[in-house]
Amino acid sequence: KAGVTQTPRYLIKTRGQQVTLSCSPISGHRSVSWYQQTPGQGLQFLFEYFSETQRNKGNFPGRFSGRQFSNSRSEMNVSTLELGDSALYLCASSKETGGHTEAFFGQGTRLTVV
Amino acid sequence: QKEVEQDPGPLSVPEGAIVSLNCTYSNSAFQYFMWYRQYSRKGPELLMYTYSSGNKEDGRFTAQVDKSSKYISLFIRDSQPSDSATYLCAMYEDYGGATNKLIFGTGTLLAVQP
Repeated sequence: KAGVTQTPRYLIKTRGQQVTLSCSPISGHRSVSWYQQTPGQGLQFLFEYFSETQRNKGNFPGRFSGRQFSNSRSEMNVSTLELGDSALYLCASSKETGGHTEAFFGQGTRLTVV
Repeated sequence: QKEVEQDPGPLSVPEGAIVSLNCTYSNSAFQYFMWYRQYSRKGPELLMYTYSSGNKEDGRFTAQVDKSSKYISLFIRDSQPSDSATYLCAMYEDYGGATNKLIFGTGTLLAVQP
């Protein structure tokens, strides 16, 4: 069974640019959540999508957005990149929403903003 | 005060030792608990998933939950150098089953010396 696939694995962008990251969940999973991981703040919740609807959003500026497609694949977008956006971006795949099913993570996309 | 507290370590033990990793939490609404292992520059790997108070065992790993004390533990028996990684505890915010938002501890860095 294939795991959670995130692309690309690495990205280097310049301040002010925008970036789109992709996540393909485990087959049959309908929930995709996104997290930002930094050495200083640890893992922080960005948002969750379930059946193409955003279920919840973390405390991040509006520059961070996402969407989910009918096949459950999800993308997140960060516009007007800042140096502080450099982080490992992780997506988690779950069968259902509601805080009671296991969450499996991908390998992440490491974003460096210069 | 953070919702989830975890000693960041680093924790260094000799091969074969029993390792105890712990997290405390403040929100009694947390119902579902997970432990993840994260190797350097990789995504978190789900090790254990528990709901009720008590113990759950899987091979060399035992997860323990004490909801009355708001305290969870992960024990690793016969630790191996390959167990050297960061261990993260995580718990769902389960407010009426509306979301999959996970709250993470800061992670404990474990080094198992051969």
